[in-house]
Amino acid sequence: AQSVTQLDSHVSVSEGTPVLLRCNYSSSYSPSLFWYVQHPNKGLQLLLKYTSAATLVKGINGFEAEFKKSETSFHLTKPSAHMSDAAEYFCVVRERRVTGGFKTIFGAGTRLFVKA
Amino acid sequence: EAGVAQSPRYKIIEKRQSVAFWCNPISGHATLYWYQQILGQGPKLLIQFQNNGVVDDSQLPKDRFSAERLKGVDSTLKIQPAKLEDSAVYLCASSLDGGLTTDTQYFGPGTRLTVL
Repeated sequence: AQSVTQLDSHVSVSEGTPVLLRCNYSSSYSPSLFWYVQHPNKGLQLLLKYTSAATLVKGINGFEAEFKKSETSFHLTKPSAHMSDAAEYFCVVRERRVTGGFKTIFGAGTRLFVKA
Repeated sequence: EAGVAQSPRYKIIEKRQSVAFWCNPISGHATLYWYQQILGQGPKLLIQFQNNGVVDDSQLPKDRFSAERLKGVDSTLKIQPAKLEDSAVYLCASSLDGGLTTDTQYFGPGTRLTVL
């Protein structure tokens, strides 16, 4: 069965310190994995996606994520947090269904707080 | 490039009333999705269209929810009658081709529905 677990509902960091948002997934087939960010009263914006090419994926605004198949993880990192990074982050898995078509599953989200 | 447009942005209704949401996807995008995002949760897919045909509506409460995508462009999502538990943000997304695992979805700003 396909599922996405974001291990922290809230993460708080100080400005200028590293960010780590954790995501574990389960998938029966080779999935694509995505990270989206949602700022208050804004739509979801794609940060990055993994599509079975390079396991280390670089995204916008200095974010990157590493796909680790052995650990079934796709953690999101950023070397230095900025105040504007405060938002909700969603890990997403997309895979082919056995019966045809595709299924997209969102994690529950991690809210990132950035302290001055 | 214009993004996904949704209207209205906010809607307050009383239970048992009806409501409709509108979505205009990115030009040229064949696939359109409607999601429901309840406060504190990740988005949940309600229905997916490929052009003007329904691909997946397995999680759509069909006794009260309906959606259409006439002419394969704009889409409307309707709730009739609304229940208190329908209070949520309704997100519309579109993608170029829903037939790929790697397909990226682009989201609109959402419609926040409050049912009193």
